Amino acid sequence: KAGVTQTPRYLIKTRGQQVTLSCSPISGHRSVSWYQQTPGQGLQFLFEYFSETQRNKGNFPGRFSGRQFSNSRSEMNVSTLELGDSALYLCASSDGTGAYNEQFFGPGTRLTVL
Amino acid sequence: AQKITQTQPGMFVQEKEAVTLDCTYDTSDQSYGLFWYKQPSSGEMIFLIYQGSYDEQNATEGRYSLNFQKARKSANLVISASQLGDSAMYFCAMREGRGGSNYKLTFGKGTLLTVNP
Repeated sequence: KAGVTQTPRYLIKTRGQQVTLSCSPISGHRSVSWYQQTPGQGLQFLFEYFSETQRNKGNFPGRFSGRQFSNSRSEMNVSTLELGDSALYLCASSDGTGAYNEQFFGPGTRLTVL
Repeated sequence: AQKITQTQPGMFVQEKEAVTLDCTYDTSDQSYGLFWYKQPSSGEMIFLIYQGSYDEQNATEGRYSLNFQKARKSANLVISASQLGDSAMYFCAMREGRGGSNYKLTFGKGTLLTVNP
């Protein structure tokens, strides 16, 4: 099976712009989660989607949004970019929703905001 | 209070030796899962090993084993016979299962492991 894929891998934007990141989960996985990783804050949960529904959301401003399509692919959008949004954005997929279901991560999208 | 605590920011180990990376967790849930991930400098998070709260035996996956002490709320990762390729950041994470309403992984700050030749 192919792993989790994320596009693009690298992105450079300027303040005030918006950006859309894409994640394709492992085939058959219906749960997709997004995380932000920064040197200062570490890994922080953004949101989780299952069957096109957002079921859990982390403590991030409304500028961060996401969606999931019927084929389980997910997109994450950040509007009005700020310098502090520079981070590695990781997507993870899971074939279940319980505490026992491991999440498999993609390679990440490294976003730089200038 | 932090849910996942990794007290070792950095660790050094000689090639072929074993190393233990510490992880303690805090939860009031009875049902939870504990995970270890490896993150090389490339950035990708690689799943290593998993331990369920109801599992009576410690999990093992090749050279990785998880020393699970439920009463002490610790889930230490043991890497046997370290290899140069093991040099990476290691994260301990927990997923709590509150009746299916909480799906996120909570991560610790990580431990940077360096394997010396």
